[in-house]
Amino acid sequence: DQQVKQNSPSLSVQEGRISILNCDYTNSMFDYFLWYKKYPAEGPTFLISISSIKDKNEDGRFTVFLNKSAKHLSLHIVPSQPGDSAVYFCAARGSSSNTGKLIFGQGTTLQVKP
Amino acid sequence: DVKVTQSSRYLVKRTGEKVFLECVQDMDHENMFWYRQDPGLGLRLIYFSYDVKMKEKGDIPEGYSVSREKKERFSLILESASTNQTSMYLCASRLLYEQYFGPGTRLTVT
Repeated sequence: DQQVKQNSPSLSVQEGRISILNCDYTNSMFDYFLWYKKYPAEGPTFLISISSIKDKNEDGRFTVFLNKSAKHLSLHIVPSQPGDSAVYFCAARGSSSNTGKLIFGQGTTLQVKP
Repeated sequence: DVKVTQSSRYLVKRTGEKVFLECVQDMDHENMFWYRQDPGLGLRLIYFSYDVKMKEKGDIPEGYSVSREKKERFSLILESASTNQTSMYLCASRLLYEQYFGPGTRLTVT
């Protein structure tokens, strides 16, 4: 039972345009959401996060939007750059988890074309 | 900066061998995690530890065990490696909400 889903395995965007990566979840008890970026042969790196009490968080070119009623979050990258080409994972934390356990989606591979 | 290191970047083992993957973090974090990453499946939690000598099963613990004798070190053990354990193994350490990952070990079991 996949509680966190990224339904698009891949996304291709032109340099300078907006990239939108989507993530859906099923558990309304998740209280914190994170996005990670992963290059080949490297570990994932933390990118941006959002608490369930907010609907938007922005950090430079990266913005995460949370729609709790739809159980949906998205990551916007504007403008997209070729160096953004990577696999992006969304993750969620359960409010009852005091061990920091995260549940990850399957990942979306972003390709930004020059 | 948080630093999480893993003992090997690439490893090739034979079926039936015992395999040790080691992870060390330098930030005195209590919580540490082992995941495997496979295409189309994302990151799946194998085991985690919330304190020295304390461990808890994740979503896919079968065929694996772990050891946490010191706070900074968390080891993943494949008792008898099988070809379906060929994967990328990622260790993580937790600070507040974010987990910080090591570079990963690409394990191939032949």
